[in-house]
Amino acid sequence: GAGVSQSPSNKVTEKGKDVELRCDPISGHTALYWYRQSLGQGLEFLIYFQGNSAPDKSGLPSDRFSAERTGGSVSTLTIQRTQQEDSAVYLCASSLGPGGQETQYFGPGTRLLVL
Amino acid sequence: DQQVKQNSPSLSVQEGRISILNCDYTNSMFDYFLWYKKYPAEGPTFLISISSIKDKNEDGRFTVFLNKSAKHLSLHIVPSQPGDSAVYFCAASDPGTYKYIFGTGTRLKVLA
Repeated sequence: GAGVSQSPSNKVTEKGKDVELRCDPISGHTALYWYRQSLGQGLEFLIYFQGNSAPDKSGLPSDRFSAERTGGSVSTLTIQRTQQEDSAVYLCASSLGPGGQETQYFGPGTRLLVL
Repeated sequence: DQQVKQNSPSLSVQEGRISILNCDYTNSMFDYFLWYKKYPAEGPTFLISISSIKDKNEDGRFTVFLNKSAKHLSLHIVPSQPGDSAVYFCAASDPGTYKYIFGTGTRLKVLA
């Protein structure tokens, strides 16, 4: 079956512009996560959705970052007024349920470069 | 402060030998641990996991060991193959929030 998909795979933008990153989770997975990986760093948690609600937004680095999920499926991560430090790989993952022992499956990521 | 640490950024191993990747954590409340493998330009791929009620889990060439008293886990790959060359991340599941806390990764290179 289809895995987690993300689009675009690469995005180059100018500082100050807004970007939208999309994630399509595995069908039937109710939990969805966004992480980012900056150069030479591990994966950093951003936000978690259970269904359409986000019980944990603790990882969003600033109010320029927001995310939504509709229909319990597709999620969009929006970064407003991008800065150079936002350059990273943004990864989406989904799991069958929210339990701590539910394995998260990752998409290929969106590579964002802010010039 | 990093709660999950992989202190070796890189490791080279000869094909056919054992690869041992290490991971340390600081939070004794973590109850589920995972290893992911990541190839360039791809997302992390789940490899193997272990619950804190176990001290060992094996899947083919991959074995994960958990030492709770030392707050240490390791991934053993035997025999190592060139296709195993990738970055390996260990992760711990935060019991309160379900998010994963990742280490910074170890780049494994298996030499033919």
